[in-house]
Amino acid sequence: LAKTTQPISMDSYEGQEVNITCSHNNIATNDYITWYQQFPSQGPRFIIQGYKTKVTNEVASLFIPADRKSSTLSLPRVSLSDTAVYYCLVGSAGYSSASKIIFGSGTRLSIRP
Amino acid sequence: DGGITQSPKYLFRKEGQNVTLSCEQNLNHDAMYWYRQDPGQGLRLIYYSQIVNDFQKGDIAEGYSVSREKKESFPLTVTSAQKNPTAFYLCASSPPLGADTEAFFGQGTRLTVV
Repeated sequence: LAKTTQPISMDSYEGQEVNITCSHNNIATNDYITWYQQFPSQGPRFIIQGYKTKVTNEVASLFIPADRKSSTLSLPRVSLSDTAVYYCLVGSAGYSSASKIIFGSGTRLSIRP
Repeated sequence: DGGITQSPKYLFRKEGQNVTLSCEQNLNHDAMYWYRQDPGQGLRLIYYSQIVNDFQKGDIAEGYSVSREKKESFPLTVTSAQKNPTAFYLCASSPPLGADTEAFFGQGTRLTVV
């Protein structure tokens, strides 16, 4: 399983765009990149998933360069409610006994007024 | 509504006692997972199951046991062998990993040993 490295914490202000980068140098050919958001005392919530290039949904964008060794979660115009921990995961596609979802330490994002 | 339900939300246990945490899902997902989270830390995988009657150890399985007799249910037992069981426990389920795979989490059970 590819290991991921993220910044431990980040600070920003309301209305700003926030970019959180995740390194995954050992990503395998059939690995997908997934980001989750977690608020205190709650389970993580899926934000976005991608394989290559750019993916956008109503919440965020995910940028993945051609070599796929890193990815960047972009949150447009953050608000105080975006204060949370964000996890980057790399997981294998397909159904196999080795498939499992592994979380790293995450990035603690704090948004200030 | 489809979803994943953990119970109870808060649980207190005396030292030396076993306790079972419930996790039920009605999403028809094959895979289910148990994680442990300590304050200020990330999630650590305890056990996971890809299919009924089969499960594998995660990174911190010692002191825990699970069963998967039904697709909908994946209970976790915290045994007296677990040295430091006080933590936040999260259960999740997902389809087989692949494109558009999203794991759904329960609201968690906070276990406190008194």
